[in-house]
Amino acid sequence: SYELTQPPSVSVSPGQTASITCSGHKLGDKYACWYQQKPGQSPVLVIYQDNKRPSGIPERFSGSNSGNTATLTISGTQAMDEADYYCQAWASGTAVFGGGTKLTVL
Amino acid sequence: QVQLVQSGSELKRPGASVRVSCRASGYTFTSYAINWVRQAPGQGLEWMGWINTDTGKPTYAQDFAGRFFFSLDTSVRTANLQINNLKAEDTAVYFCARAPGITVAASFDFWGQGTLLAVSS
Repeated sequence: SYELTQPPSVSVSPGQTASITCSGHKLGDKYACWYQQKPGQSPVLVIYQDNKRPSGIPERFSGSNSGNTATLTISGTQAMDEADYYCQAWASGTAVFGGGTKLTVL
Repeated sequence: QVQLVQSGSELKRPGASVRVSCRASGYTFTSYAINWVRQAPGQGLEWMGWINTDTGKPTYAQDFAGRFFFSLDTSVRTANLQINNLKAEDTAVYFCARAPGITVAASFDFWGQGTLLAVSS
């Protein structure tokens, strides 16, 4: 079965750029999307179709996808961005989530 | 505005059954698939499958074929998840999430608030 691999944790200082990766076989040939989940809340879609932002998502969130790796980039990271982030793609009619990355802003 | 409102928390005994509902509002119900996602305590997101809200046809992820059933009540714009023969490992938060069709480009753009299911004797 298809797998997506994320680093368990990423740390960033406020105002700096955070990059969270998601790796999978030929992931660049698929569409990747990203969800943000804060403790006790539902996930929120922050990037879809590799690099598109839904309405209401700040411009500091961006995405890319090439080769075997999709990347979520948060520019000018704010304390409110501290959360778990999950990548997701479709493989053989199945939605696959990465294991999640805890972003710490310190 | 788009809303998916789920039923409340449940505490069940092993072997029992439970039904979780997801009521949609603010959009054309039959234009979006409803997906179900499980999140065990302290764990990540796990896709359970989806139901075509136009035809009622369910599709289950491999690990969720057998005790898990998706259904619709289109008269009240509601999708349901039923779990039979509950086990302790079914303890989790269950989310419904809509997707504009199930294609390789689909993403889950709105989510319910989640329903906590605890299974314990």
